[in-house]
Amino acid sequence: AQSVAQPEDQVNVAEGNPLTVKCTYSVSGNPYLFWYVQYPNRGLQFLLKYITGDNLVKGSYGFEAEFNKSQTSFHLKKPSALVSDSALYFCAPLLYNFNKFYFGSGTKLNVKP
Amino acid sequence: DGGITQSPKYLFRKEGQNVTLSCEQNLNHDAMYWYRQDPGQGLRLIYYSQIVNDFQKGDIAEGYSVSREKKESFPLTVTSAQKNPTAFYLCASSIGGTSGGNFYNEQFFGPGTRLTVL
Repeated sequence: AQSVAQPEDQVNVAEGNPLTVKCTYSVSGNPYLFWYVQYPNRGLQFLLKYITGDNLVKGSYGFEAEFNKSQTSFHLKKPSALVSDSALYFCAPLLYNFNKFYFGSGTKLNVKP
Repeated sequence: DGGITQSPKYLFRKEGQNVTLSCEQNLNHDAMYWYRQDPGQGLRLIYYSQIVNDFQKGDIAEGYSVSREKKESFPLTVTSAQKNPTAFYLCASSIGGTSGGNFYNEQFFGPGTRLTVL
């Protein structure tokens, strides 16, 4: 069965500190991996994706993510958090054979001043 | 401006009533999707369409119906058979199609419609 795990419902971090939002997956084949962000009562916005190549990918708003094939993980990171980063973050592996995403349950990031 | 729009933003339904949620995109994308979002849960796929006049059931299609008569439009009808329809509904589109193309394109999401059953 396909599954995506975001083990933390909520992550709290102080502004200026580094942040990590975790994601592990169990999806057949070699999926492409995405992160999306959702602000309250809004649709999702694309942050970054891993297709192939360098395990560290950089995306929008200073975010980056590290792909680890042996651990089937794709953790989202940012060196210095901003209060405006507070939102709901979704990890989403994409099954490449028919363009279908599997979304995690989401992690709420709270960045405090 | 290019983008994807959903209407209405808020919708109220009475028991036993069918309602239709609108989704329009001017991005010239082939693929369109409908998701349902409940509190504390991720997005669940209701229906998706890779090309005009074709669509497939997602993971939770029961009680829903769709049509794809035009490339830019993908309306979702929530029927009276859907027993628990109160949720936030998100429409999305992407470039990718079913064959030969790009399967790794991100999805663009609309702002969502919040449906409440009275």
